[in-house]
Amino acid sequence: SQTIHQWPATLVQPVGSPLSLECTVEGTSNPNLYWYRQAAGRGLQLLFYSIGIGQISSEVPQNLSASRPQDRQFILSSKKLLLSDSGFYLCAWSPDRIQETQYFGPGTRLLVL
Amino acid sequence: SQQGEEDPQALSIQEGENATMNCSYKTSINNLQWYRQNSGRGLVHLILIRSNEREKHSGRLRVTLDTSKKSSSLLITASRAADTASYFCATATGANNLFFGTGTRLTVIP
Repeated sequence: SQTIHQWPATLVQPVGSPLSLECTVEGTSNPNLYWYRQAAGRGLQLLFYSIGIGQISSEVPQNLSASRPQDRQFILSSKKLLLSDSGFYLCAWSPDRIQETQYFGPGTRLLVL
Repeated sequence: SQQGEEDPQALSIQEGENATMNCSYKTSINNLQWYRQNSGRGLVHLILIRSNEREKHSGRLRVTLDTSKKSSSLLITASRAADTASYFCATATGANNLFFGTGTRLTVIP
């Protein structure tokens, strides 16, 4: 069966520090991968999605970047965190067709101080 | 925005009662999905209904879709305390992603 992992679960970082969040998927190949951010009590904002290695699409201009160095690995990064980067970051995957069901990881709660 | 909007934003009911949540959207869709999120956790897919379907059931869940009104409803029958969570609708429009609503926060009181 397929599983999705995210780490770390919680992260407290100072403003201006770098960020690296990792997401890996097991049990499937060539998944579509997504990074979302969720502000407290709000819906999901799609940040990036990827349909293959090295193929990244950005949905909103921001202080973040994403990379997909391996088929089942998706990394969210920042060179210098802002206070506004605080939030709950969710990684998800879906099978071949992007419009179908997405499966979410447990999330990373990021607090920038 | 193509984003769905859930209504109500919050709902509180007694255990055993039925809970109904609604979702409205703005553009044509290929399918509409409902997800559940427990506090501080990831989202869990509940049910997917395609644009040519009008009603779908899964256990205690019933989803309806009215494409003429661009709306969907999620009914949870015989609610349990464990159903307490936030519920989100997501629309698939043919673009390369799903568009999530802002969610309904359901509280089931034992």
